[in-house]
Formats: sequence, structure tokens, C-alpha cells
Amino acid sequence: KAGVTQTPRYLIKTRGQQVTLSCSPISGHRSVSWYQQTPGQGLQFLFEYFSETQRNKGNFPGRFSGRQFSNSRSEMNVSTLELGDSALYLCASSLVPGQETQYFGPGTRLLVL
Amino acid sequence: GNSVTQMEGPVTLSEEAFLTINCTYTATGYPSLFWYVQYPGEGLQLLLKATKADDKGSNKGFEATYRKETTSFHLEKGSVQVSDSAVYFCALSAATGNQFYFGTGTSLTVIP
Repeated sequence: KAGVTQTPRYLIKTRGQQVTLSCSPISGHRSVSWYQQTPGQGLQFLFEYFSETQRNKGNFPGRFSGRQFSNSRSEMNVSTLELGDSALYLCASSLVPGQETQYFGPGTRLLVL
Repeated sequence: GNSVTQMEGPVTLSEEAFLTINCTYTATGYPSLFWYVQYPGEGLQLLLKATKADDKGSNKGFEATYRKETTSFHLEKGSVQVSDSAVYFCALSAATGNQFYFGTGTSLTVIP
């Protein structure tokens, strides 16, 4: 069974631009979560989707948004990029919400110049 | 609230040494507990998990026991290898919702 895939793997953007990242969960998994990983802050939860609905949201500004499609694929969007948005963005999927194991993708590394 | 406190790194060990990485947690209800490992340039991989008190998770020689009385989930390995060099994250999944709470990660380097 294929794992979680994320595209693109690397991105370079400039301040003020926007970016869209994509995540395809493991087949059959319906819950998708997004995390931001930086050296200074570690892993921080962004949001979680299940059945096309956002169930949980972390403490990030409204510039960070996401959505989930009927096939469980998810996208996250960051508008008006700032230098501090440079990070590794990780997507994780699980069968359903709850205390299920989350399986992580390889991440998208975003560099904002 | 929910949180995970993890032993600060970095940790450097010689091959075949004993490894302990401490992890304690604060949670409401009965969380599930996890250890994830991250190799350079990669995402997180599940190493082991435990879903209830006194459960022991184990994988690839690593073990951790869910201790409710001490709210701990320490990671141990009897004899580390160079290939174990990575960053290790302790995490909990709260009893409600699907949000994972991660520790800050502990970098392990094993030298031959």
C-alpha cells in the first residue's frame, strides 16, 4: 500500500506570495492532519480534516488555511508569505479521527526569501 | 491541557551503548502514547506505541512502557547502532479529538 505522498517536495517563494501544498493520504485513510516543523518551534499542529470538514485547528493566523476533498486528499494554503513561514510542512493521515496512529508523509520544505 | 516533555538533546552514544530517552506527559483522560523517529531529510516514522496503562510498545529493539502512575513513556534500547542516529519524538494522542501533541525531539548520534 502506498504511503502518504506530498507534493511538491521543495518550494522556494518570496515574501508576499502564496503557496498551495498537497497531500494524498494512505488509501482508505479519511483523516488528514497538517504540521509545521521548524528548528525553533519543533512540530506544531496546524489543522485536521475528516470527511471534508475541519475538526481541529492549531494556533496559526488566518493566512494558513486548508481543505479536504471527497477523495480525502488535502491541500493547505498559505497566503501573504512571511520569512518565518519557512519550514518543513508535514502531512499525516489516519483511518479515522481519535487515537489512531498517524502516518506521516516526507514533507514539503518551503523556503521563503 | 495536554503536553509532552521530552529529554533535551543532543545525545551522543558509542555503538552498543544503552539508550534511554525520557518522556513525560500531561493529559486529560487516557491518551495513547507514541514514539516517532525522523531520519535526516525525511518525515516521521512510527517507531512504537502503547494505548493503555502498563502496555509495552516495542519495535526494532526499542521499548517503552506506558506508566500512568508516573505519567511517563521512556524510550529504551539495550544496544544502539550507528543506524539508530536520528531525531526521536515522543507524542500523545488525546482521548478526545485527533490532535497529536509532540515533544521537542531528541537528537541521537551513535558513533562507531
